[in-house]
Amino acid sequence: QKEVEQDPGPLSVPEGAIVSLNCTYSNSAFQYFMWYRQYSRKGPELLMYTYSSGNKEDGRFTAQVDKSSKYISLFIRDSQPSDSATYLCAMSPNAGGTSYGKLTFGQGTILTVHP
Amino acid sequence: DVKVTQSSRYLVKRTGEKVFLECVQDMDHENMFWYRQDPGLGLRLIYFSYDVKMKEKGDIPEGYSVSREKKERFSLILESASTNQTSMYLCASSYLDREEGYTFGSGTRLTVV
Repeated sequence: QKEVEQDPGPLSVPEGAIVSLNCTYSNSAFQYFMWYRQYSRKGPELLMYTYSSGNKEDGRFTAQVDKSSKYISLFIRDSQPSDSATYLCAMSPNAGGTSYGKLTFGQGTILTVHP
Repeated sequence: DVKVTQSSRYLVKRTGEKVFLECVQDMDHENMFWYRQDPGLGLRLIYFSYDVKMKEKGDIPEGYSVSREKKERFSLILESASTNQTSMYLCASSYLDREEGYTFGSGTRLTVV
């Protein structure tokens, strides 16, 4: 079993839809949770990060962490064609220390938003 | 803006060649990482380094080596390229003790023929 599971999709939605992207994990030591967005033929870029449980909002994006269920989500409101990309979840037990901030990534979900 | 620069976007090499992939970052990050990304397999860590001349094996180090002679530069070496090393290679860097995640380069798409 992988430490981090992410449905690879692909996910196709119409413009304006609410998108929900999810990851589950098995390592209860994970404390830092991140979402990266990767456009085609580009490197991933950090979209959002959260520490421990709770919600964090940034514009149309909301990241949610439920540590009791070992489940994280990224919601995109009013989705746009420019949101079409691969979304990767990532997590780490700590920001540094013995793990040197190493991230464990999900497989990535391919999202297409149609005009 | 933080920049992680990978020397080549596309590379075609022959089987058996020694291949060097270069990565330079300009933010004084302590950590540097090399990943490969393949469809269906996601990102897999090859090697990482948390300081000059220090290196640690990741999940798939076989067939690869690395060099970090200066803090800003981290090189990935394919000792004898094989067709199963055809992949997208991504370099990343980060601070040692801050929760700001990684900054990735744009990637090098390597094809071994």
